[in-house]
Amino acid sequence: DVKVTQSSRYLVKRTGEKVFLECVQDMDHENMFWYRQDPGLGLRLIYFSYDVKMKEKGDIPEGYSVSREKKERFSLILESASTNQTSMYLCASSSRGFRGEAFFGQGTRLTVV
Amino acid sequence: GEDVEQSLFLSVREGDSSVINCTYTDSSSTYLYWYKQEPGAGLQLLTYIFSNMDMKQDQRLTVLLNKKDKHLSLRIADTQTGDSAIYFCAESISAAGNKLTFGGGTRVLVKP
Repeated sequence: DVKVTQSSRYLVKRTGEKVFLECVQDMDHENMFWYRQDPGLGLRLIYFSYDVKMKEKGDIPEGYSVSREKKERFSLILESASTNQTSMYLCASSSRGFRGEAFFGQGTRLTVV
Repeated sequence: GEDVEQSLFLSVREGDSSVINCTYTDSSSTYLYWYKQEPGAGLQLLTYIFSNMDMKQDQRLTVLLNKKDKHLSLRIADTQTGDSAIYFCAESISAAGNKLTFGGGTRVLVKP
């Protein structure tokens, strides 16, 4: 059974903290994505990685960075968490080949207080 | 540029058909997808259509693609209460490494 696993379902952090969200996939996918989901705004792409150590900014990269040191792991970093980063964060992976469908993790609901 | 739009909400009676609509702007889309998100869960792929197809049927699901109008729809026949969820359309462009762009999601409420 294919899997994308996010390290936490729920997180509460304080304003100004550095926050790490981890995502691991077991499908040997080249592509990995971080999205944030907010009511009425759908999924907005934060960062996208198409290979190890490669990354591209998505639509809303400000306040975030990412790390992809190994193919199976993609980390999202909030350098200094702010209350407007309270959201649901979804990680996904996909193959660059046939169909390119994305598989999603269960999401991490982050609250910044 | 990339922009995918959907209506926010759809209410339907159990047993009726549901039609969810989506418009996109990038004519170089390779694949178009429909994802379903149940409460508290991640997204699951429901179905997809390749950009050179007009229609795809998969059990209760029918996808229609009008490339000229850049319009995608998902029809669910005999809608059940278990179909209540948020439905997202998404496009990917193979030339961009299959980067996915999502619409805002349509919340479907099925009433008994």
